[in-house]
Amino acid sequence: DTEVTQTPKHLVMGMTNKKSLKCEQHMGHRAMYWYKQKAKKPPELMFVYSYEKLSINESVPSRFSPECPNSSLLNLHLHALQPEDSALYLCASSQVGMKNTEAFFGQGTRLTVV
Amino acid sequence: GDSVTQMEGPVTLSEEAFLTINCTYTATGYPSLFWYVQYPGEGLQLLLKATKADDKGSNKGFEATYRKETTSFHLEKGSVQVSDSAVYFCALSDRVTNAGKSTFGDGTTLTVKP
Repeated sequence: DTEVTQTPKHLVMGMTNKKSLKCEQHMGHRAMYWYKQKAKKPPELMFVYSYEKLSINESVPSRFSPECPNSSLLNLHLHALQPEDSALYLCASSQVGMKNTEAFFGQGTRLTVV
Repeated sequence: GDSVTQMEGPVTLSEEAFLTINCTYTATGYPSLFWYVQYPGEGLQLLLKATKADDKGSNKGFEATYRKETTSFHLEKGSVQVSDSAVYFCALSDRVTNAGKSTFGDGTTLTVKP
């Protein structure tokens, strides 16, 4: 199984809503990532988890709250988002501390904030 | 810090034409290099990779060679198809020193016309 599965595929939420994005992988990867991608732009790193601990937070606003409940799951909790947060949110995973390894990406959740 | 520069797009080719997308990089360590492809509405898929100087990555008729002397990783394909229309991202990572970060180029949009 070389898949990273993200749910939901599409999400529309109001600015006062609370929602969560979910990501799951069963490749035994111990590094997991959240990226944000705006149209026609490269992915921008948001968070990195290594061995279920947050290792990188790229100065992301607190309205985005990541969680890694176990080695296979990664969540992104959303609260009080702004319309400019509308984007494709990509989850990825990789092996830890190994140089010659690529990241495996999910299909993404397309988020629209209204 | 690390950076990746890709040739600007968009690139429009006729079917069976030769493709080159240029990619150069700046890195402090000894990174691995990747080409990812993103089809409309989807996540990123790894197209090919190379982990050390003079390595050639290849997949689905695409090739790229890791050139340390010119810090380049140009993507080539001898005969493109309509189905190759997508956005192509050059990326590097050094997961040992960069705590899992991947650095992406800005992406090059390829359109292949029948």
